[in-house]
Amino acid sequence: QVQLVQSGSELKMPGASVKVSCKASGYTFTNYPMNWVRQAPGQGLEWMGWINTNTGNPTYAQGFTGRCVFSLDTSVNTAYLQISSLKAEDTAVYYCARGGSNGYYRGSDYWGQGTLVAVSS
Amino acid sequence: QSALTQPASVSGSPGQSLTISCTGTSSDVGGYNYVSWYQQHPGKAPKLMIYDVSKRPSGVSNRFSGSKSGNTASLTISGLQAEDEADYYCSSYTSSSISYVFGTGTKVTVL
Repeated sequence: QVQLVQSGSELKMPGASVKVSCKASGYTFTNYPMNWVRQAPGQGLEWMGWINTNTGNPTYAQGFTGRCVFSLDTSVNTAYLQISSLKAEDTAVYYCARGGSNGYYRGSDYWGQGTLVAVSS
Repeated sequence: QSALTQPASVSGSPGQSLTISCTGTSSDVGGYNYVSWYQQHPGKAPKLMIYDVSKRPSGVSNRFSGSKSGNTASLTISGLQAEDEADYYCSSYTSSSISYVFGTGTKVTVL
């Protein structure tokens, strides 16, 4: 069965970096794009961007360029989200979500369980 | 890109039908048939309920249906059940910045 398993919660100091992992299983990893979605406490869903798991090419939404980096390790079917220079407003749950085989925007049918990143001094 | 507009909350009694709207522009909802809907229970990951405006993924109840007219998409829940109480988000491809956008979210309450 398809599963996306994310790494555990993180507590970071302002200015630090964090790397969230998303390990996929149960399907051919490179056949589906991977989206990243942020949800701040008590807020709605915010699309951060996606990565082409076949080519490794990332696309970032407005507001997520510069400090966010999407990457892959296809040898272990894992996608990564790295955020640098963390700020308090980066505190959120971060989700990876498998996009449609015919387009990252064609509905994300499987989601990771979410990773809480808390930024506080 | 701006979020798609949804009502903050809607409510209904068990067995009733209710509809959630999702209003965008001709650059997103109105321009493409790539609207999806997600259900999210508290503390849980979102679940895909509808994609490509009106298609249901395998395993999703046929009580959920999607449609679109102009720049507004809609999710209808028929035969409302207590388990349908959750937050619902629409999303759409947008040619603005060639990306993707979520709606503001709607809290569904079953009375």
